[in-house]
Amino acid sequence: DTEVTQTPKHLVMGMTNKKSLKCEQHMGHRAMYWYKQKAKKPPELMFVYSYEKLSINESVPSRFSPECPNSSLLNLHLHALQPEDSALYLCASSQARGGSPLHFGNGTRLTVT
Amino acid sequence: GENVEQHPSTLSVQEGDSAVIKCTYSDSASNYFPWYKQELGKRPQLIIDIRSNVGEKKDQRIAVTLNKTAKHFSLHITETQPEDSAVYFCAASPGGYQKVTFGTGTKLQVIP
Repeated sequence: DTEVTQTPKHLVMGMTNKKSLKCEQHMGHRAMYWYKQKAKKPPELMFVYSYEKLSINESVPSRFSPECPNSSLLNLHLHALQPEDSALYLCASSQARGGSPLHFGNGTRLTVT
Repeated sequence: GENVEQHPSTLSVQEGDSAVIKCTYSDSASNYFPWYKQELGKRPQLIIDIRSNVGEKKDQRIAVTLNKTAKHFSLHITETQPEDSAVYFCAASPGGYQKVTFGTGTKLQVIP
């Protein structure tokens, strides 16, 4: 039972495509995150939303565009990606206070061709 | 920023033996230390965490110890089972909830 739901599970896109990754949580968490994970590496923070406002952007290229429509939803819009962007994209949520663990979704496996 | 080192990168143990994974951190402001388990093809899941006002925490076969002075913390798994086989990540967070720095991961293999 996954409390953070991500869609789609797999995505193959060309370098000229536009696609979106979606994430939803119903745990009442007010912090939501996008992480990127390459094979055999730890998750790498991309963006943090706190109370629906973007609070951290880890110098992510503009071809990745996050959006937080409400407290339960988080999107990641993709445009003009490069093959090296192929990775597992993980959404996570947590309570918006220190010492709160991350709850990860199952991720979207993205392949850029 | 915070830097978390994790050792070993791979660990093989016989079923029933204990496994120990060690991490060091650099930022003395870090005060929250979670451990995540990631099975192959699955999401990272929290298995145990510890806060800086506690030196040790135990949950059944899993324990974590923290030495603030030396800036290191360790995960101990006793009576290992094949289902413990996974990649384990330590992490450190400086009090705020937004930035969590992960260690490089330890691939644990429990041999039946």
